Amino acid sequence: KQEVTQIPAALSVPEGENLVLNCSFTDSAIYNLQWFRQDPGKGLTSLLLIQSSQREQTSGRLNASLDKSSGRSTLYIAASQPGDSATYLCAVYPGNTPLVFGKGTRLSVIA
Amino acid sequence: GAVVSQHPSWVICKSGTSVKIECRSLDFQATTMFWYRQFPKQSLMLMATSNEGSKATYEQGVEKDKFLINHASLTLSTLTVTSAHPEDSSFYICSATQGGNQPQHFGDGTRLSIL
Repeated sequence: KQEVTQIPAALSVPEGENLVLNCSFTDSAIYNLQWFRQDPGKGLTSLLLIQSSQREQTSGRLNASLDKSSGRSTLYIAASQPGDSATYLCAVYPGNTPLVFGKGTRLSVIA
Repeated sequence: GAVVSQHPSWVICKSGTSVKIECRSLDFQATTMFWYRQFPKQSLMLMATSNEGSKATYEQGVEKDKFLINHASLTLSTLTVTSAHPEDSSFYICSATQGGNQPQHFGDGTRLSIL
């Protein structure tokens, strides 16, 4: 059974700092991996989707990497801003089954 | 991009009331829709998978008679919480996909509060 773990569970950093969020999964047989952002009381916003054949994806200040063989992904946020404060969820798509989510990392960026 | 609309965004009602939540794919045909439940500071918990024209597949521990799911068209799925009680209060999120390896697109969620 696929399990997704995110570390740390919570993170607080000062504004301007670069930071890394970690995601690990137990079964490397995935079609893709996705990073989402969730603001309190809101739905999910897709940030980056990495296909299993890709190593990384970039969007603005965000960079996500994928190492399928080791079952790991990282989300790198450069020059963090208070507006980046949210919960970041990692999810893997095993193929023809629903996404499997981690429990998320709650990020607070302090001005 | 693909848009999923969920309605209502927030509902408050008395215990014993039945509540219907709608999930619509606005610009694509959703072969499959998913319903999730999320408690405060927890991750999303999959409740059921709904394929258009078929009965929903419920995850273990989810009462199908309590949470009625209908997916009658390729753009609409509904979740009805029957005879809701305070313990049903939660955040419910739907997602939709065209199927195969296509990504899931998520609605904005519905906050359900049962008094």
